[in-house]
Amino acid sequence: DAGVIQSPRHEVTEMGQEVTLRCKPISGHDYLFWYRQTMMRGLELLIYFNNNVPIDDSGMPEDRFSAKMPNASFSTLKIQPSEPRDSAVYFCASSFSLAGGAFFGQGTRLTVV
Amino acid sequence: QKEVEQNSGPLSVPEGAIASLNCTYSDRGSQSFFWYRQYSGKSPELIMFIYSNGDKEDGRFTAQLNKASQYVSLLIRDSQPSDSATYLCAVVAGGGNKLTFGTGTQLKVEL
Repeated sequence: DAGVIQSPRHEVTEMGQEVTLRCKPISGHDYLFWYRQTMMRGLELLIYFNNNVPIDDSGMPEDRFSAKMPNASFSTLKIQPSEPRDSAVYFCASSFSLAGGAFFGQGTRLTVV
Repeated sequence: QKEVEQNSGPLSVPEGAIASLNCTYSDRGSQSFFWYRQYSGKSPELIMFIYSNGDKEDGRFTAQLNKASQYVSLLIRDSQPSDSATYLCAVVAGGGNKLTFGTGTQLKVEL
């Protein structure tokens, strides 16, 4: 398996624009997580899905953020409108069972100017 | 109180020494505990997991869990410069499936 695949790897956008981050989890994994990492706040859980259903979105910072998982092999995280404070590395991770831990994609480095 | 706490470091150890990394967690019902390694500019990589009190060894790495005191530690024996990275502690809290991370400890292994 190729592991968790995220795209794009880097994204530079202007404030106010819509940004969409994409993730393909490892085949057979039932859990999918979106994390955001910054120097100040570390790795923060934004939202996670189990069997394509959002379970906990309490970490989503504002209504500007939304996430979907239309099927078992694809998820998106959308920011609309984007702001400079959204600049961070966004990671997607998947897991078959949390008892075995989660496996991370390579991340998307987002810069909002 | 943060759910998972780690000293940010940096922790500096000489090559060949034992590096000891510590983590405390707030939810007494937490069930599963993980250590991730993250090199600069890379994604976190799972290196150890532990569920039961005591020690778990894997090569040069030993994870230790003490549920009564609510701490988890990672020992790295014979530290190598390639071990220089940030080590993240992660916990699955009791009653849920949320995987929560500490802010990480930066380890520097010096020649």
